[in-house]
Amino acid sequence: EVQLVQSGAEVKKPGESLKISCKTSGDSFATFWIGWVRQMPGKGLECMGIIHLRDSDTRYNPSFQGQVTISADKSISTAFLQWRGLRASDTAIYYCAGGSDFWSGPPIFWGQGTLVTVSS
Amino acid sequence: DVVMTQSPLSLPVTLGQPASISCGSSQSLVYIDGNTYLNWFQQRPGQSPRRLIYKVSNRDSGVPDRFSGSGSGTDFTLKISRVEAEDVGVYYCVQGTHWPYTFGQGTKLEIK
Repeated sequence: EVQLVQSGAEVKKPGESLKISCKTSGDSFATFWIGWVRQMPGKGLECMGIIHLRDSDTRYNPSFQGQVTISADKSISTAFLQWRGLRASDTAIYYCAGGSDFWSGPPIFWGQGTLVTVSS
Repeated sequence: DVVMTQSPLSLPVTLGQPASISCGSSQSLVYIDGNTYLNWFQQRPGQSPRRLIYKVSNRDSGVPDRFSGSGSGTDFTLKISRVEAEDVGVYYCVQGTHWPYTFGQGTKLEIK
């Protein structure tokens, strides 16, 4: 079965850079979209953007455009979410979700979440 | 952005009783291909979300048949016919017709 394994929890200071990862298993890489979802403490879910793993076709939620970079490396079957200057308001759990189609029958697989804490 | 509005935000339910969650969208969710891209997710405490329903009324594999989805256009409903203890968590509707995809605020289901 497909698995999405995310990188571990991070504690950073404001202004620091960070890149978290979401590694996929199996033969899914060629057909998968990966979405990044933010969950701020005690809050709901927000779609940050999506990337197709085969060709790195990327769409950003305008609310996150310019704040983060979404990328992928086919050679290691991994998607990434990157910040160049973290803020305290970036403190959240970040989930990756993968599937060939988020909106129809094929299943969606989720990572376990990466907790990012930004504090001085 | 399309605003998704859920109600209620808190839902205390007695075990074995039904539960219903409403989700409204600020725009029609009917896409140009005729499909309506509205999913329901469950997030149990401390877990990643899990999709229950796709395209309004289709249950994902492994989802108990006590869960059902209905609706059209801008108004949608998730129903649980008989709530069980494992149903405790937060339920979200999410639309995929318009970019960016947007979630409802979430409905927290708890056992009375």
